Amino acid sequence: GESVGLHLPTLSVQEGDNSIINCAYSNSASDYFIWYKQESGKGPQFIIDIRSNMDKRQGQRVTVLLNKTVKHLSLQIAATQPGDSAVYFCAERKMWGSNYKLTFGKGTLLTVNP
Amino acid sequence: SQTIHQWPATLVQPVGSPLSLECTVEGTSNPNLYWYRQAAGRGLQLLFYSVGIGQISSEVPQNLSASRPQDRQFILSSKKLLLSDSGFYLCAWSVPPHRGLNQPQHFGDGTRLSIL
Repeated sequence: GESVGLHLPTLSVQEGDNSIINCAYSNSASDYFIWYKQESGKGPQFIIDIRSNMDKRQGQRVTVLLNKTVKHLSLQIAATQPGDSAVYFCAERKMWGSNYKLTFGKGTLLTVNP
Repeated sequence: SQTIHQWPATLVQPVGSPLSLECTVEGTSNPNLYWYRQAAGRGLQLLFYSVGIGQISSEVPQNLSASRPQDRQFILSSKKLLLSDSGFYLCAWSVPPHRGLNQPQHFGDGTRLSIL
């Protein structure tokens, strides 16, 4: 199976609520993780990343948490807005020789209700 | 700033016809370049990546090929398309690891390919 997966394929929240999107990974050698947002008909857009030597990183309205003990990654979006509606992907990176590979999960569809 | 362009945005082709999708990157030099395919409701599958001109690595055996004739140009091709080649094709670039270890890949807006 895929080494990066998601607990929930869909998530529906009310505008103004906080959203939490979860991701499980199985490769303990992965050293870098990325969250992407993909709107309909567009390519994935980088949101935030985190190195494996960190357990938390904050951006503007977004926070990524990394729990290496249980190989779990989450994306928290504060005060969710209708413009946050999209599919969210997590990706893990594993170094591969002098280069690296990203493995993506299937994605979670976030719907924000006004 | 760096930008990535893919074209066309949508393409409808008959089975057995050739394919050429183009991707160009601006604002950076010697990027790593990637082609992905995304099936409906699924994640991204890496097809090809390139670390330099003329250097192509294939991830999965398939009906497609890739070329990098110039530093910032990446082309996805096929001589004869199959129905199974339908999908959403995404090009991406990244800074090579030796110039920045923890750098994400940046994606274009993709080409929606439909084979009839």
